[in-house]
Amino acid sequence: DVKVTQSSRYLVKRTGEKVFLECVQDMDHENMFWYRQDPGLGLRLIYFSYDVKMKEKGDIPEGYSVSREKKERFSLILESASTNQTSMYLCASSITSAAGELFFGEGSRLTVL
Amino acid sequence: AQSVTQPDIHITVSEGASLELRCNYSYGATPYLFWYVQSPGQGLQLLLKYFSGDTLVQGIKGFEAEFKRSQSSFNLRKPSVHWSDAAEYFCAVGDNFNKFYFGSGTKLNVKP
Repeated sequence: DVKVTQSSRYLVKRTGEKVFLECVQDMDHENMFWYRQDPGLGLRLIYFSYDVKMKEKGDIPEGYSVSREKKERFSLILESASTNQTSMYLCASSITSAAGELFFGEGSRLTVL
Repeated sequence: AQSVTQPDIHITVSEGASLELRCNYSYGATPYLFWYVQSPGQGLQLLLKYFSGDTLVQGIKGFEAEFKRSQSSFNLRKPSVHWSDAAEYFCAVGDNFNKFYFGSGTKLNVKP
């Protein structure tokens, strides 16, 4: 069974802390994505990566960075967490094809106090 | 610019009743269209997808969707809703560059 695993389901951090959200996929997918989900706003793309060490900004990259050192792993980094980054974060992966759908992890709910 | 509109934020239906969730998109070329479902506290699961061919697409859990190019719509339907269908539903458009655009979601409540 295909799988996208997000290492932390729930995190509570303090303002100013550095936060790492990890995502691993076992499907050998080229593309990986980080989305942020907030009520009434749907899913908004933060960053995506179409290859190792490659990344592109999505719609809301401010305050975030990413790292993809290995094909299966895509990390989202909050350099200095702020309360407005309290949200649900979803990782996803896909093959490089117009026909390729997204496979999602279960999400990481981050609370910044 | 690509966009997806789900005009209904919340919908309540009785168990056994039929369901239709609306989705309109804006996209310059032939769209790749998806419906996802999200149960509380979970990630998103693909229900069905449309790329080409037959405009009526069958998915999992008894769902279907119809692509209507003239109306830029991709509405999701189910003839008889079950209590376990209560969830949030997202419509999405994919482009040729592996990017996806999501609607804001429709929360479905099912009355016993």
